[in-house]
Amino acid sequence: QVQLQESGPGLVKPSETLSLTCAVSGFSISSGCYWGWIRQPPGKGLERIASLYYRGSTYYNPSLENRVTISVDASRNNFSLRLTSVTAADTAVYYCARISTGYTHFDYWGQGTLVTVSS
Amino acid sequence: QSALTQPASVSGSPGQSITLSCTGTSSDVGGYNFVSWYQQHPGKAPKLMIYDVTKRPSGVSNRFSGSKSGNTASLTISGLQAEDEADYYCCSYAGISTVIFGGGTKLTVL
Repeated sequence: QVQLQESGPGLVKPSETLSLTCAVSGFSISSGCYWGWIRQPPGKGLERIASLYYRGSTYYNPSLENRVTISVDASRNNFSLRLTSVTAADTAVYYCARISTGYTHFDYWGQGTLVTVSS
Repeated sequence: QSALTQPASVSGSPGQSITLSCTGTSSDVGGYNFVSWYQQHPGKAPKLMIYDVTKRPSGVSNRFSGSKSGNTASLTISGLQAEDEADYYCCSYAGISTVIFGGGTKLTVL
């Protein structure tokens, strides 16, 4: 059973950097698939942030591209997200997910973690 | 890239069939047979219900079915049940390892 678990600070100050990690169990990241981050502001819809292929290719939402970095640590079987210069607009529940091999759908999701940007 | 268009809300009575729509363009919904649908209950993570327009993951009720015509995809829920009340999001592949989500539809079971 594939499981994903997000971890990281729940509160980040404006202008600082948001860092989250997604621990994967039940499936080796090095075995294949894409992996990604999606966020959901309170009361709003889903927004793709970034994704990567296990071999390292990365793909970013153009609206966030200049502030986002996604990376993988295959030895720890996890992947991470960094979002710089955060503002209140970055307050959201952040989900990590596994993306199907053909990049057609998100088949496994983490439970999500709320990150609030506030001083 | 603009979000796919979904009605903000839909309602139905138990036992009825309802259809949720998801409209995009020829660059996403109309261009690929890679539309997926997610169910989200309050405070929970989204759950994959349909992928590749019509396919159901193991464990998803056969009361859920998907289809597509042109630039519009649809999710049909038959035999509506109280537990189906949730938000539903469509998502489409849009090329070069990019996907676009819809704004979501709130389904109310009356």
